Amino acid sequence: AQTVTQSQPEMSVQEAETVTLSCTYDTSESDYYLFWYKQPPSRQMILVIRQEAYKQQNATENRFSVNFQKAAKSFSLKISDSQLGDAAMYFCAYRSALDDMRFGAGTRLTVKP
Amino acid sequence: SAVISQKPSRDICQRGTSLTIQCQVDSQVTMMFWYRQQPGQSLTLIATANQGSEATYESGFVIDKFPISRPNLTFSTLTVSNMSPEDSSIYLCSADRVETEAFFGQGTRLTVV
Repeated sequence: AQTVTQSQPEMSVQEAETVTLSCTYDTSESDYYLFWYKQPPSRQMILVIRQEAYKQQNATENRFSVNFQKAAKSFSLKISDSQLGDAAMYFCAYRSALDDMRFGAGTRLTVKP
Repeated sequence: SAVISQKPSRDICQRGTSLTIQCQVDSQVTMMFWYRQQPGQSLTLIATANQGSEATYESGFVIDKFPISRPNLTFSTLTVSNMSPEDSSIYLCSADRVETEAFFGQGTRLTVV
């Protein structure tokens, strides 16, 4: 099974500043999808951003962007201009046509006012 | 996108009893999944709910304990049988179409006393 590793159990950022959450993955597939999900205390899993492996351009969604390094199997999430509402658990996830969704252990992000 | 309604949102149950969790999607989806999540931890896949056939269970999960139904392309149930306090957890339903992001229900917080 493919593995997804998030090496930062907890991260903290000052409001309005930028934070980067790390994610690495292991796969032998060439075609796959990567995701970042946000889970606030409400428990609802919310898709933040997705990246198709065949695309070289890094995905961007407003204040959220990724740094996708396919050769290094790295997929980090950058949150710019952090807001109090960004505080949540963030999960990196991987899936391919041959594999179900696999999640990392998660990173708890705290935003300080 | 897809909207998923999951119920109940929470329940407190006596040990030895069973609870059935329902998951309704607002459109036809290819895949439906059931996850378990301990507070503050990642998601663990219980099984893939297959329409018209038996669910596919992950290692450590068995049909007698977690029977799953999927009578059509928009609905699935997970039953937690003969519950013990160790079954206390959050249970999440998700759905996706092949090679897209997964959408999640709001989760069911189960407490077994």
